[in-house]
Amino acid sequence: RKEVEQDPGPFNVPEGATVAFNCTYSNSASQSFFWYRQDCRKEPKLLMSVYSSGNEDGRFTAQLNRASQYISLLIRDSKLSDSATYLCVVVTGTSYGKLTFGQGTILTVHP
Amino acid sequence: DTAVSQTPKYLVTQMGNDKSIKCEQNLGHDTMYWYKQDSKKFLKIMFSYNNKELIINETVPNRFSPKSPDKAHLNLHINSLELGDSAVYFCASSQLPAGGNAGDNEQFFGPGTRLTVL
Repeated sequence: RKEVEQDPGPFNVPEGATVAFNCTYSNSASQSFFWYRQDCRKEPKLLMSVYSSGNEDGRFTAQLNRASQYISLLIRDSKLSDSATYLCVVVTGTSYGKLTFGQGTILTVHP
Repeated sequence: DTAVSQTPKYLVTQMGNDKSIKCEQNLGHDTMYWYKQDSKKFLKIMFSYNNKELIINETVPNRFSPKSPDKAHLNLHINSLELGDSAVYFCASSQLPAGGNAGDNEQFFGPGTRLTVL
């Protein structure tokens, strides 16, 4: 089983749609969780951290379910500029942990 | 100002050659990383340095040797290049090493080096 699993998609949605991505992780000792965004042929950039209580940043909402070991990202009112690959990232380790990336979920928002 | 820079951006070379990729960050961070992103887009950690000290060394062939002359630089040297080494290599930096109480410790990535081995 992969350490971090995502549905690779692709998700094709019209502008204004709401879309949700899920991600599961295998190591119950994982401590920190993030969503990164990667545009085509570019480097990954942090989109948002994921907190146990759930958190929102504008149109983006992240949720964490530790019991079921999954993370979700909800995007409301999709924009064309949201088209990208969304990477689920899990941090495991105490002193010197490492980031483990999911394969990424491809989102295309069309007019 | 570029926060994390890598050179070269593209590298095309023959099997068996030795090549180096350079990385520099001007963010004042203590920790730097090398990642490999293969053709299936999986991004995997290779190495991590904290204050010039190697702290993570994943299962990477010993043909790959990182070198950190100072906190702001982390270079990657690859000997005897193989076809399977073709990938995009990303350098990254963060203020603190991931894990522990690092919490929201964001990693900043360089633009990547696209290596093609022929």
